[in-house]
Amino acid sequence: AQSVSQHNHHVILSEAASLELGCNYSYGGTVNLFWYVQYPGQHLQLLLKYFSGDPLVKGIKGFEAEFIKSKFSFNLRKPSVQWSDTAEYFCAVGLSGTYKYIFGTGTRLKVLA
Amino acid sequence: KAGVTQTPRYLIKTRGQQVTLSCSPISGHRSVSWYQQTPGQGLQFLFEYFSETQRNKGNFPGRFSGRQFSNSRSEMNVSTLELGDSALYLCASSPTGQGARNTEAFFGQGTRLTVV
Repeated sequence: AQSVSQHNHHVILSEAASLELGCNYSYGGTVNLFWYVQYPGQHLQLLLKYFSGDPLVKGIKGFEAEFIKSKFSFNLRKPSVQWSDTAEYFCAVGLSGTYKYIFGTGTRLKVLA
Repeated sequence: KAGVTQTPRYLIKTRGQQVTLSCSPISGHRSVSWYQQTPGQGLQFLFEYFSETQRNKGNFPGRFSGRQFSNSRSEMNVSTLELGDSALYLCASSPTGQGARNTEAFFGQGTRLTVV
């Protein structure tokens, strides 16, 4: 069955620390890859997306992610986090032809000022 | 362009009742999907509609149903509510459908349903 795994459920960092959130998926076909962020009390917002081409994609607010096809991974990174990055982060995979996303269970990030 | 609008934002229902949630997609989007979000489970796919037709359905009991109207607005219905149905229900719209090539989804703020 298709699935998306996010390895870290809770992450606590100090401001200016570097961030890497892992995401692995299991699906052998063509995929679109996404990272969404949900700030407290707000709706899911798209951070970045990968459809094709350069496997290193840059998103909003200084986030980037790298698609490694051989590892079925799409890890999210940010060199220096800010207090305002405190939120829940979801990795999602769009499976070609299925008309749905498979989401990971999310990672709650808390950044300490 | 207005975003995805979900109504109501909050609902409190009693076990055994039924509930209807509404979603208005972004203008021009023909695909609407529904997800259930609960702590620890993340987002679980319920179903997806395109041009009034259900194209895909998740692993939820038959108590969960939906429909889409000709103007692309969608409703989902949960009958015989159970305590475990308490969750944030999210609607997402996209032009052609999640999973379609090079398509992203836009999410509404959700309806928080509490079953007591």
